[in-house]
Amino acid sequence: DAGVTQSPTHLIKTRGQHVTLRCSPISGHKSVSWYQQVLGQGPQFIFQYYEKEERGRGNFPDRFSARQFPNYSSELNVNALLLGDSALYLCASSRLSGSSYEQYFGPGTRLTVT
Amino acid sequence: QKEVEQNSGPLSVPEGAIASLNCTYSDRVSQSFFWYRQYSGKSPELIMSIYSNGDKEDGRFTAQLNKASQYVSLLIRDSQPSDSATYLCAVAIQGAQKLVFGQGTRLTINP
Repeated sequence: DAGVTQSPTHLIKTRGQHVTLRCSPISGHKSVSWYQQVLGQGPQFIFQYYEKEERGRGNFPDRFSARQFPNYSSELNVNALLLGDSALYLCASSRLSGSSYEQYFGPGTRLTVT
Repeated sequence: QKEVEQNSGPLSVPEGAIASLNCTYSDRVSQSFFWYRQYSGKSPELIMSIYSNGDKEDGRFTAQLNKASQYVSLLIRDSQPSDSATYLCAVAIQGAQKLVFGQGTRLTINP
C-alpha cells in the first residue's frame, strides 16, 4: 500500500507570499496532522484534522491554516511568509483521531523563504 | 522545563554493541509513547510504540517505559552502521490530539 504522500517536495518562496502544501493520507486513514520541523529540532505540531474537522491546533500564528477534504486529503496554507517559516513541513496520517493511534509521516515538503 | 527531553548527543557506539537512548517527559497523564528514526534529509519513520509499563521488544529494538519515573528508553541490540540516524522520542498528550517530540538524539554506529 502507498504511504503518505506530500506535494510539492521542495518549494522556494519570497517573503510575503502565500504557500499551499498538500497531503494524501494512507488509504483507510481518516486523520491528518501537520508538523513543522526546523533543522536540529524535533517536529512541532501545527494542526490535526479528523473527518474534516479541526481536532487540535498548536502554537502557531493565524497565518497558518489548514483544511481536510471528503477524501481525507489535506492542505496546509501559510500566508504572509516570513524567513522563519523556512522548514520541513511534515504531514502524518493515523487511522483515527486520538492519542493512542500511531502516526505515520510522509516525505515532507522542504520550504525555503528568501 | 521542556515537555519531552532527550540528550541531543552525538552518541557514538561501536558496531555490535547495545545503543541506549533515553527520554523523559513532564506530563504525568501521557499514555502513549513512540520512537521515530530519522535519517539525514528524510522524514521520521515510526519504529516503536509503547503504552504500558515495562518492556516491548521488536527484533533488535526494545522500548522500555516507566510511568512512575516519567521515563522511556530505546535499546538497539547488535547495532549496525545502518542504525546511524537521529532518534526522536514522541509523547502523545492526552486530549490534545498531538505528539510532542524531543529534539532527538543523534546516534553514530562506528564500524
